[in-house]
Amino acid sequence: DVKVTQSSRYLVKRTGEKVFLECVQDMDHENMFWYRQDPGLGLRLIYFSYDVKMKEKGDIPEGYSVSREKKERFSLILESASTNQTSMYLCASTTGTHSYEQYFGPGTRLTVT
Amino acid sequence: DAKTTQPTSMDCAEGRAANLPCNHSTISGNEYVYWYRQIHSQGPQYIIHGLKNNETNEMASLIITEDRKSSTLILPHATLRDTAVYYCIVSQSTGNQFYFGTGTSLTVIP
Repeated sequence: DVKVTQSSRYLVKRTGEKVFLECVQDMDHENMFWYRQDPGLGLRLIYFSYDVKMKEKGDIPEGYSVSREKKERFSLILESASTNQTSMYLCASTTGTHSYEQYFGPGTRLTVT
Repeated sequence: DAKTTQPTSMDCAEGRAANLPCNHSTISGNEYVYWYRQIHSQGPQYIIHGLKNNETNEMASLIITEDRKSSTLILPHATLRDTAVYYCIVSQSTGNQFYFGTGTSLTVIP
């Protein structure tokens, strides 16, 4: 089974802190994604990556950056956390060929105070 | 931008078929219809997808109208474990940029 893991289930950070959310997948997938999920807004795509060192902006990239130094790992970075970044963050991965199925991690609930 | 329209919520009696509709009137010829679901406190899970033919797998059936402007996901015998938010997504097969929207919250009632 494909496994996508995220570094933390729950995280509490202070305003202005630099925050790293880590995502690791174990199936050699080319594509990885970061979403945030908020009540009433559904899942929104922040950034995605098709390959190592490649990144593309999603629908809401402002306030975020990403890093993909290794194929299995995709990091989401909040350079200076703000309270409006309090949310559930979900990572997903998929192969380049059978790309209809995205495999999701369990999510990280981030609270910025 | 939203490409699909789904009802906000639905109820279904346990053991009955759950029929979840989705409108995608602006779908283009190379876009597929995908369905995912998200059980509380978990990440979304793929269910099924199709282009223009009806599809069936061990989880569900997907019925796409001939003009492809709408589709229905059918869970043939709903169980309590099918209570979840169901997302209908249209997207090209490549690119992987899914717009999940807010989905339909399905509650299966005992």
